[in-house]
Amino acid sequence: EIVLTQSPGTLSLSPGERATLSCRASQSVSGSHLAWYQQKPAQAPRLLIYDASSRATGIPDRFSGSGSGTDFTLTISRLEPEDFAVYYCQQYGSSPWTFGPGTKVEIK
Amino acid sequence: QVQLQESGPGLVKPSETLSLTCTVSGGSMTNYYWSWLRQPPGKGLEWIGSMYYSGSINYNPSLQSRVTISVDTSKNQFSLKVTSLTAADTAVYYCARSRGFFSYWGQGTLVTVSS
Repeated sequence: EIVLTQSPGTLSLSPGERATLSCRASQSVSGSHLAWYQQKPAQAPRLLIYDASSRATGIPDRFSGSGSGTDFTLTISRLEPEDFAVYYCQQYGSSPWTFGPGTKVEIK
Repeated sequence: QVQLQESGPGLVKPSETLSLTCTVSGGSMTNYYWSWLRQPPGKGLEWIGSMYYSGSINYNPSLQSRVTISVDTSKNQFSLKVTSLTAADTAVYYCARSRGFFSYWGQGTLVTVSS
């Protein structure tokens, strides 16, 4: 099973700042099959990025993903008030599909 | 726009079986995997299993012995059964459409396991 580690656990930033979230895998993720999700309280997760760098339908271009192998990054270029949430990475390169523990982006 | 809606009991007793149904609207079930996931209160996400519309299936080994997923494309529904419930199974259960990644999600339904 591939274990995903996300850092930092919490990121305290102000609106307008750049956010850089890391996801590291215990072994190489096949095909760069890695996704990122945003989750707000009492809501279902929302797909942001799939295949490491492809934006899902309707996702603003301030969200971007990069990486391959074992190291992946989600970047939010300029934080909007609605971007403060928990972000999860997920790998689907090998079964069982697994999630990271999440990074909380909070208002500083 | 594809929409998914979970339905089922909110409270089940320990040792009993949980049955949930997800109804899909706004799109066809063909060519996708249909999945169940869960999230214990205040914790992270766990993938339970996925079934392709044609019947092939993949379960998380951590739950495989207690879980059954089925799909009924004629009703645009798919279902989850979890047996031998314990308090550790208390969670929000989500259904989702997937191709490895989960593109559409239901709103989630809280299931509490308690006597």
